[in-house]
Amino acid sequence: DIQLTQSPSFLSASVGDRVTITCRASQGISSYLAWYQQKPGKAPKLLICAASTLQSGVPSRFSGSGSGTEFTLTISSLQPEDFATYYCQQLNSYPLTFGGGTKVEIK
Amino acid sequence: EVQLVESGGGLVQPGGSLRLSCAASGFTFSDHYMDWVRQAPGKGLEWIGRNRNKANSYTTEYAASVNGRFTISRDDSTSSLYLQMNSLKTEDTAVYYCARSYFYSSVYYIDYWGQGTLVTVSS
Repeated sequence: DIQLTQSPSFLSASVGDRVTITCRASQGISSYLAWYQQKPGKAPKLLICAASTLQSGVPSRFSGSGSGTEFTLTISSLQPEDFATYYCQQLNSYPLTFGGGTKVEIK
Repeated sequence: EVQLVESGGGLVQPGGSLRLSCAASGFTFSDHYMDWVRQAPGKGLEWIGRNRNKANSYTTEYAASVNGRFTISRDDSTSSLYLQMNSLKTEDTAVYYCARSYFYSSVYYIDYWGQGTLVTVSS
């Protein structure tokens, strides 16, 4: 199975900060990676697919990059509504797997 | 508007069975792969299985943790997805999400999720 390791698992940041979350795969997954945002008590929301393709309606302050084994999700200027937990997921092979999550909290 | 509504969750004893349903609307259900994902209380997301569409013979994939105990099926005529869960264990306690997948750049990505239904396995 492909393991996804997210770092950090927790980060504290202020409104307006630039935030970067890393997702590392235990083996190459090409660009078959998605990023999700989840707020407490809510279902996850797809932000980015194919490592860097922003979903319709997702603010342009979100961006994704990477291929192979290392990927990043960047929020260029953190907004109050962005405080949430973020997950990466690989779609390269079964079983599909998620990273452990990164919780972004207000500093 | 895409809607996915899960039902069937509740309290069940270890070793018992439960069947979850997911009612889909707002899209052509038969065209899409469908997934189940769960989340234990206070924990991360765990993908548990996928059901492919008719064009791909309704085949399924499962996570090792549920393989042989859980079965995913669908009824395109009613736009419904099911998760039959047998031999339940306390570690199966979680919110279970039904999710739609769409084809993009060679693979199927999960793009819509239901609100989830809570399954509690406890004596």
